[in-house]
Amino acid sequence: QKEVEQDPGPLSVPEGAIVSLNCTYSNSAFQYFMWYRQYSRKGPELLMYTYSSGNKEDGRFTAQVDKSSKYISLFIRDSQPSDSATYLCAMKGNTGKLIFGQGTTLQVKP
Amino acid sequence: DTGVSQDPRHKITKRGQNVTFRCDPISEHNRLYWYRQTLGQGPEFLTYFQNEAQLEKSRLLSDRFSAERPKGSFSTLEIQRTEQGDSAMYLCASSTLQGAKTEAFFGQGTRLTVV
Repeated sequence: QKEVEQDPGPLSVPEGAIVSLNCTYSNSAFQYFMWYRQYSRKGPELLMYTYSSGNKEDGRFTAQVDKSSKYISLFIRDSQPSDSATYLCAMKGNTGKLIFGQGTTLQVKP
Repeated sequence: DTGVSQDPRHKITKRGQNVTFRCDPISEHNRLYWYRQTLGQGPEFLTYFQNEAQLEKSRLLSDRFSAERPKGSFSTLEIQRTEQGDSAMYLCASSTLQGAKTEAFFGQGTRLTVV
């Protein structure tokens, strides 16, 4: 069993839709939770960073962490074609080493 | 450009050849990480440095792989006797010393193709 599970999709939605992306994890030692966006043939770029249970909002993006259920989510409101990318959840403990999910490929159609 | 820089961006090599990649982290960042990403997968941790010390290596890092960070600044990742299974994107990331509490910034990666 992988430490971090993420549905690879692909996920296709119409422009303006609300997108929900999810990951589950098994290691309760993870303390920090991140969402990265990766465009094709590019390096990952950090979207959201949280270290506690609850919600964190940044513009159209909301990250949600539920440590009791070992479940994290990323919501994208009013999705745009430019949001089409692969979304990676990542977790880390004290060393700073990141453990990534498989990534979910999202396509937002105009 | 003050981001993480990787060179080369693309490398095509014949099986059995040695290759070396370079990573220049953000200047004030003490921690430097190497990851490998294959198609359709998330990045997998290979190794990391705190200043010039290599503190952790994944079991994915076989004897053919070696990484250095000689002066605590740039880092190199060498793969000896490349195999087709080494074809992947090699990503470098850096963060400050408070690595667990701060974000890691990634470079654009080096895409290796072994033919």
